Amino acid sequence: AQSVAQPEDQVNVAEGNPLTVKCTYSVSGNPYLFWYVQYPNRGLQFLLKYITGDNLVKGSYGFEAEFNKSQTSFHLKKPSALVSDSALYFCAVRDRGSTLGRLYFGRGTQLTVWP
Amino acid sequence: DADVTQTPRNRITKTGKRIMLECSQTKGHDRMYWYRQDPGLGLRLIYYSFDVKDINKGEISDGYSVSRQAQAKFSLSLESAIPNQTALYFCATSDPSPTGGTDTQYFGPGTRLTVL
Repeated sequence: AQSVAQPEDQVNVAEGNPLTVKCTYSVSGNPYLFWYVQYPNRGLQFLLKYITGDNLVKGSYGFEAEFNKSQTSFHLKKPSALVSDSALYFCAVRDRGSTLGRLYFGRGTQLTVWP
Repeated sequence: DADVTQTPRNRITKTGKRIMLECSQTKGHDRMYWYRQDPGLGLRLIYYSFDVKDINKGEISDGYSVSRQAQAKFSLSLESAIPNQTALYFCATSDPSPTGGTDTQYFGPGTRLTVL
């Protein structure tokens, strides 16, 4: 069975500090991994994805994520947070071996960056 | 994403009423999805369609039905709305990668539905 865990409902950081939003996953095979961001009253926007290759994936708005197979994690990171990064972040996983294409989402982590 | 539109954006209705939520896309994608979002639960898949003739139930399809009128249009219906269907509903589209790898999903702005 596929599942995604985001262990923190909320993450608070000061502007300029590094941020990390955690994600762990469980899939029956090898994963494709995604991060999406949701701003208030908006749909989900794609940030980045891991397919294969380099474990460090770079995405939009200066975000990056590190795939760690042994820890089954895909944490989202940014070296220097901005107030405008405040939003709801979702991690998602898809089983690489599945032809169905469906994603399994975590419950989301609310990131607040304070000035 | 402006390429995926949803109507209406907000809707308040009463228990027992029939409601249709519509989704249109100009991305030319074959695959379309309906999700609902509830606070603290993330997104849960209601139905998905890989082409006009292919419709599949997701994890929470009870109480919902869908229609894929064309490649670009995918509608979600609540035949008899109930209060616990109050949620934020999202449509999404994707297309398989030419290399056979992952297909990224692109989301509409959402419909906020309240059932009284």
